[in-house]
Amino acid sequence: AQSVTQPDIHITVSEGASLELRCNYSYGATPYLFWYVQSPGQGLQLLLKYFSGDTLVQGIKGFEAEFKRSQSSFNLRKPSVHWSDAAEYFCAVGAGRDDKIIFGKGTRLHILP
Amino acid sequence: ETGVTQTPRHLVMGMTNKKSLKCEQHLGHNAMYWYKQSAKKPLELMFVYNFKEQTENNSVPSRFSPECPNSSHLFLHLHTLQPEDSALYLCASSPNNEKLFFGSGTQLSVL
Repeated sequence: AQSVTQPDIHITVSEGASLELRCNYSYGATPYLFWYVQSPGQGLQLLLKYFSGDTLVQGIKGFEAEFKRSQSSFNLRKPSVHWSDAAEYFCAVGAGRDDKIIFGKGTRLHILP
Repeated sequence: ETGVTQTPRHLVMGMTNKKSLKCEQHLGHNAMYWYKQSAKKPLELMFVYNFKEQTENNSVPSRFSPECPNSSHLFLHLHTLQPEDSALYLCASSPNNEKLFFGSGTQLSVL
């Protein structure tokens, strides 16, 4: 069965600094991979997704993620964070169009002024 | 604004109460979902409906009873809940399970 691990519960970075959030997945075939963001009091919003093709995926709000099959990873990056990026970020994996999506426990991002 | 609306936003109920959560989407999506979000735990998928038919029930206790009268509306009926059921309940819809559109959730507190 597929699973998702986000090893960092909390991450703190300074505004303007670069960001990388880690995600490792477990699945036998090529998975569908997602990153979602949740602001306080809100539901989750899709940042980006990977299904196939180019392993570097661009998303909204200046985020990107890179699928690395050899490392079973799908890390989220942003070159320069803004205070408004403070939120909780969830990595998720699905096995295909008809399969359910499994979420990681999330990483809470804190931004220092 | 995702197009998925959940009401109420907050709910406090006693263990003997009966209440219902409502979710509505007019995005034309075929699938609707209930998720439970508790502190320090992964998002837990509770129920999935495709074309109004329940296709998944993840061993959810019977005190949670979903209802999907049409492809635009989804309810979660609650009765005799326990304090450990306190959580954020999120509804989502999807056109094809490739992308989930989430509502803002109902923050439930069981006293």
